Amino acid sequence: SQTIHQWPATLVQPVGSPLSLECTVEGTSNPNLYWYRQAAGRGLQLLFYSVGIGQISSEVPQNLSASRPQDRQFILSSKKLLLSDSGFYLCAWSDLYSTDTQYFGPGTRLTVL
Amino acid sequence: TQLLEQSPQFLSIQEGENLTVYCNSSSVFSSLQWYRQEPGEGPVLLVTVVTGGEVKKLKRLTFQFGDARKDSSLHITAAQPGDTGLYLCAGVPTGTYKYIFGTGTRLKVLA
Repeated sequence: SQTIHQWPATLVQPVGSPLSLECTVEGTSNPNLYWYRQAAGRGLQLLFYSVGIGQISSEVPQNLSASRPQDRQFILSSKKLLLSDSGFYLCAWSDLYSTDTQYFGPGTRLTVL
Repeated sequence: TQLLEQSPQFLSIQEGENLTVYCNSSSVFSSLQWYRQEPGEGPVLLVTVVTGGEVKKLKRLTFQFGDARKDSSLHITAAQPGDTGLYLCAGVPTGTYKYIFGTGTRLKVLA
């Protein structure tokens, strides 16, 4: 069966510090991968999605970036965090040829102080 | 810009009542999903609808996809405290791999 991992679960970082959040998927090949950010009690904002290694599409201009160094690994990064980067970050995957189902990781709660 | 509007935003009801949550857009979607999310956790998929006019039932939950595949509804019969949570709809616009999420409906069922 497929599983998706995210770490860390929680993170408190000072403004201006770098960020690296990691997401890995097991039990499937060539998944579509997604990074979302969620404000408290609200819907999800799509940040990046990837349909293959090295293929990243950015949905919103920001100081965040994403990379996919391996088929089932998706990394969200920043060189200098802003206060507005605080939020709940979720990684998700869907089957390459079907978008009928999307599976989410447990999320990372990021607080920038 | 493709948007999914959910209504209502907040809903507080007594146990045993019925409720309907709506998800509307001007865009056509190849599929639409409903998720339920607990605080501090990732959303969990409840159902996917793909055919215009499709109705799916999951115990006390009934999901419907609009005939034109632009909207959907979630109806809960005899709500229970365990139904409390954030309900999210998400659609995949035709010809893309992106998911557009609705604004969310926070449901609280009081015992």
